[in-house]
Formats: sequence, structure tokens, C-alpha cells
Amino acid sequence: EVQLVESGGGLVQPGGSLRLSCAASGFTFSSYHMNWVRQAPGKGLEWVSHIDMSSGDIHYADSVKGRFTISRDNAKNLLYLQMNSLRDEDTAVYYCARLTRLWWEDYWGQGTLVTVSS
Amino acid sequence: EIVLTQSPATLSLSPGERATLSCRASQTITSFLAWYQQQPGQAPRLLIYDASNRATGIPARFTGSGSGTDFTLTISSLEPEDFAVYYCQQRKSWPRTFGPGTKVDIK
Repeated sequence: EVQLVESGGGLVQPGGSLRLSCAASGFTFSSYHMNWVRQAPGKGLEWVSHIDMSSGDIHYADSVKGRFTISRDNAKNLLYLQMNSLRDEDTAVYYCARLTRLWWEDYWGQGTLVTVSS
Repeated sequence: EIVLTQSPATLSLSPGERATLSCRASQTITSFLAWYQQQPGQAPRLLIYDASNRATGIPARFTGSGSGTDFTLTISSLEPEDFAVYYCQQRKSWPRTFGPGTKVDIK
């Protein structure tokens, strides 16, 4: 069974940092591209970042570019999102998602809540 | 950035009725569009990919159509579990973008 489990969320002050993790199981993690998607409370979905299976192709939303860094450890089946210089507007549930061969998100984690507040 | 617009924002229908949801792109995205369903407190679920292909396990009452800039998700006969928020997403170009969503609620 495919499983994606996010962790690392919590309360952080503006300007602070947080690293999210996504533990993958039930599939060959190293063979799949991955995305982070977030959802602010009561709002819609926002794509955040993409990493291909070999970490050779990486993309970010303009809203996080220069502040967030996506990475992965294929040996440990882990996906990461390092978030620096956090702002109030980064408050959201962060989901990791696996991409199909056709580049759509077919499996999602349950999400981890990041709250940026003083 | 490609902007996706969804209409209506809210659709109030009864079980058994037909739902028609629209998604319009600010520029052509050929068929690089997907539809997701999200229930309260849950992660999104992929329904339709590449505009018209049902994802694994998705019932036949869900149909996607369209190409270019105009797309439609049709639910032929609403079941109780279909009342949710629906999002479209494009992958024609970076950044990937989602529409604002259409909430289908019970009339």
C-alpha cells in the first residue's frame, strides 16, 4: 500500500525556519517525481515545489522561491522541504504528493500544519 | 503564470442531479488538465487527468471533457459522497496552478 506521511510541522515565529519531511513507503520512491502542495486555512490548493526522481529538475512557486528548498534522500525514502524566512502567509497544511508517470498527483499524504505566528 | 478560473464558486444541488463544473485557462493548456476532489479535512483525490481520463477507481459518473482553454467536469448523478470541493490543475507550464475551486453542496 502506498503511504506518504508528513512530519515536522508546528508553530514558528515569523522569520524562523522549519524542515518538513515526507516518509514514503509501499512503492519504489526513487522512481517517482514528487511535489509539495499547501493549503492555507479555509483556502484553496497551492502548488509549492517539484523535484524529479534524481533531484536533477527542481521548480518552485514564486511565492517561496529563494526561501524554500526541496530535496530528497532516495536511500531513506524521504522527501524534504526546508523552509526559511517564514512569513505569516506561509501558514498552511503542507502535503507531499507522488506524481504519476503522466505527472499528476495520484497519492497524497495526510498533511502537516505549519503555523507562522508571533 | 497560467491562471485557472472555475465556475460557479458554489453549486447547490440535490442527490441524483447532474453537476456541471467549469474550468477556464488564461491561455491554451492543450489537454494538460486534471480534476481533484477534496472532502473536508482530507487530502485531495485525483479524479480526472489529461482532461478526460478517469483515474484508477473513479466511478464512471465522473466525466471530464475539453481542450485548449475550456474544460468541464460532469457528475452525471450526484451521490451523497460527491458533495465536496473540486479543483482543476494545469501542468502545461511551470508554475503548476490550481483553480480556486467549486464547492458542490447539498440543496
